[in-house]
Amino acid sequence: DTGVSQNPRHKITKRGQNVTFRCDPISEHNRLYWYRQTLGQGPEFLTYFQNEAQLEKSRLLSDRFSAERPKGSFSTLEIQRTEQGDSAMYLCASSLRGSGTEAFFGQGTRLTVV
Amino acid sequence: GQQLNQNPQSMFIQEGEDVSMNCTSSSIFNTWLWYKQDPGEGPVLLIALYKAGELTSNGRLTAQFGITRKDSFLNISASIPSDVGIYFCAGLPLSTSGTYKYIFGTGTRLKVLA
Repeated sequence: DTGVSQNPRHKITKRGQNVTFRCDPISEHNRLYWYRQTLGQGPEFLTYFQNEAQLEKSRLLSDRFSAERPKGSFSTLEIQRTEQGDSAMYLCASSLRGSGTEAFFGQGTRLTVV
Repeated sequence: GQQLNQNPQSMFIQEGEDVSMNCTSSSIFNTWLWYKQDPGEGPVLLIALYKAGELTSNGRLTAQFGITRKDSFLNISASIPSDVGIYFCAGLPLSTSGTYKYIFGTGTRLKVLA
């Protein structure tokens, strides 16, 4: 396992469609985070999990967004009824409890809503 | 969402020059992380800092946790063309102690002229 893996890398969808992204964290990392990054900005926090528990959600995470981590390993982020404003890079990161708080990021999923 | 201020926003430098950038906040932070991001990729962790005054190096990179705990600094010595990219600071505010909601800076865009 060499790092955080995100799929797909790119997604183009029509407005109103649903999309789902997957994140596989570094093995044994029990914390997993989702961030959103728009062009020219730093990443913005969306939500994070410790094992399977979703511990915090940002106000950026509207009711059209849902994230799950059912078995405490991989996570999915679903966006329902996509809007053009959802176009962004969606980044996943993971960290290991008890070893400092370094968060390691995946390569991201670039979403374009047309 | 809340973001940290980074300065400068962008800079052009000659290969071989040293680079300095900083990250500031109005509130106290427990942890500072520095990342580098290339276009279309996720952020890559460079250095992590955990105590006020801490100075940590990673090759040609040196970062410091400010004594006031409201700022951090990153220096790159003898820059090379592959240093090109966007450098982000990220921190965990004291006010959210116990959670892991990283706040990111606005980024410093570095361009190196050969």
